[in-house]
Amino acid sequence: DTGVSQNPRHKITKRGQNVTFRCDPISEHNRLYWYRQTLGQGPEFLTYFQNEAQLEKSRLLSDRFSAERPKGSFSTLEIQRTEQGDSAMYLCASSLVGTGAREAFFGQGTRLTVV
Amino acid sequence: ELKVEQNPLFLSMQEGKNYTIYCNYSTTSDRLYWYRQDPGKSLESLFVLLSNGAVKQEGRLMASLDTKARLSTLHITAAVHDLSATYFCAVDLRRGQGNLIFGKGTKLSVKP
Repeated sequence: DTGVSQNPRHKITKRGQNVTFRCDPISEHNRLYWYRQTLGQGPEFLTYFQNEAQLEKSRLLSDRFSAERPKGSFSTLEIQRTEQGDSAMYLCASSLVGTGAREAFFGQGTRLTVV
Repeated sequence: ELKVEQNPLFLSMQEGKNYTIYCNYSTTSDRLYWYRQDPGKSLESLFVLLSNGAVKQEGRLMASLDTKARLSTLHITAAVHDLSATYFCAVDLRRGQGNLIFGKGTKLSVKP
């Protein structure tokens, strides 16, 4: 286990379709984050989990978005009824929260294109 | 609402020159991170700054944090082409208990 893994790496979908992305964090990490990054911008926070509990959701996360981390390990991010504005890079990150500070390690991302 | 501003947003440098990237943030925080992103790639952690006056160096890059001024700097010494990338600063509002707020990034291009 060398890092955060995301699948698929690229996804092209038609507007109105549903898509699901998967993130496998670093195995011992208890915190998992989802971010969205559009061209020329920094990552924007969407949501995060501490183990299996979803502790915070951004206002960016509309009702069409849902994230799960059922067993506190991998996570999925689903977008229903995709819109062209959903086109972006979706980044997953994980960290170990406990004693001291730990930076978040990012996966390679899933690039979504809605046509 | 926390705002994180980086400047410059674009930086073209010649090899061998020095330059500084600035990261200002609007709300009190004592944790700041610097990441590097190559085109089409994910973010690579460079530095974690945890207190006022913290300074960290790795190779040609040095980062510092002034929490009173709400300012972090990333200094590049004797730039080389391999440093060409986009650099992001990110602020942690809640001491590791929440999410990071990122700046827009500084796109650095080092030319021979």
